[in-house]
Amino acid sequence: GAGVSQTPSNKVTEKGKYVELRCDPISGHTALYWYRQSLGQGPEFLIYFQGTGAADDSGLPNDRFFAVRPEGSVSTLKIQRTERGDSAVYLCASSLRGPPSHFGPGTRLTVL
Amino acid sequence: QQQVKQSPQSLIVQKGGIPIINCAYENTAFDYFPWYQQFPGKGPALLIAIRPDVSEKKEGRFTISFNKSAKQFSLHIMDSQPGDSATYFCAASSTRPSGNTGKLIFGQGTTLQVKP
Repeated sequence: GAGVSQTPSNKVTEKGKYVELRCDPISGHTALYWYRQSLGQGPEFLIYFQGTGAADDSGLPNDRFFAVRPEGSVSTLKIQRTERGDSAVYLCASSLRGPPSHFGPGTRLTVL
Repeated sequence: QQQVKQSPQSLIVQKGGIPIINCAYENTAFDYFPWYQQFPGKGPALLIAIRPDVSEKKEGRFTISFNKSAKQFSLHIMDSQPGDSATYFCAASSTRPSGNTGKLIFGQGTTLQVKP
């Protein structure tokens, strides 16, 4: 595809459940970023991958959050024991190098 | 010290007007300052960016002005059009020591409406 794609577009889950959010970056982009955006706020950094490795995961809020990028392309953000406070739009972005130039449309996560 | 403060929260201008959005930061280690445009239901898209070695950068109708001593930067949209109606975010990052500019600290956003 031409841009970053994210699936699902919407995810509703119950408190305590496990969720996985998927990001397909632009082909050939080695850098991949996860951010999350709460209503009315700017995006908040979660984690940055360069290739397969997490170069900076300092934004992950706690150990319930984990992300992988095993082949240096698709990435999955995993959230265990979801809490209502995890409700937000989770954004993925990619770039060849430098800053994220385009973000995906996001996955809207709602934890009931 | 990691915050980027953005104002105003919302802005309404007539077509052809020049909306100005302002941002301020505290962390002097920040050395990369991008602006993003976000339409409803979409992710942010990089609009324009500046580094502190220049005071102004123009790309089309968009201009960033940067004041290093005041730790402020602003976005000006010349000849604004209804299609510019969106939410605008400023951001900042430090590229030292790794050189990467992907860990961005975003402002709170400004919702711009350009009336026909």
